Amino acid sequence: GDSVTQMEGPVTLSEEAFLTINCTYTATGYPSLFWYVQYPGEGLQLLLKATKADDKGSNKGFEATYRKETTSFHLEKGSVQVSDSAVYFCALGAGNQFYFGTGTSLTVIP
Amino acid sequence: EAGVVQSPRYKIIEKKQPVAFWCNPISGHNTLYWYRQNLGQGPELLIRYENEEAVDDSQLPKDRFSAERLKGVDSTLKIQPAELGDSAVYLCASSGDVAQETQYFGPGTRLLVL
Repeated sequence: GDSVTQMEGPVTLSEEAFLTINCTYTATGYPSLFWYVQYPGEGLQLLLKATKADDKGSNKGFEATYRKETTSFHLEKGSVQVSDSAVYFCALGAGNQFYFGTGTSLTVIP
Repeated sequence: EAGVVQSPRYKIIEKKQPVAFWCNPISGHNTLYWYRQNLGQGPELLIRYENEEAVDDSQLPKDRFSAERLKGVDSTLKIQPAELGDSAVYLCASSGDVAQETQYFGPGTRLLVL
């Protein structure tokens, strides 16, 4: 069945460091891919999405490219800030179904 | 535009007691989801509604969990009786239509069963 696998955390980075959180997926069709972010004590917020191969989603300095050949949707940011500390979830949406990864906790230290 | 509203935000109960969670989706969103999120895990779907119809409840433990979405707007998720293992965050999400696929989440209800 369809599924998402993302790198395990926690991840700790210094401010202004480069961030990569890996996400790979398994799907039988042509899913949409998402990154959601969850700040402490809050619900999930949509960070970015891509609906077809080679699309790049971007928001708040974060980017992810839908790579069909490697079945990946890695999240990147060139320079992280303390305020980016949160849990990041990769997700796959295929019509009626939605699958989340287990989440990657990011802590950015000054 | 108001987001997805959930209440209560926190609930502490003793095992075997009943508990109910309420969700008001974004206005105009026909699809409503209830998820359970265990500590350190991603959300897991419990039930999905299209308007007032439950179209996917395969992951809902029907012996103790029930849900309703009368009139196709607000929804209530109930657990009766609660067990220790039900301690989790219960998230409600809504989307405009299935084709859009983007879901908008509420803040969740954090349940602790003692």
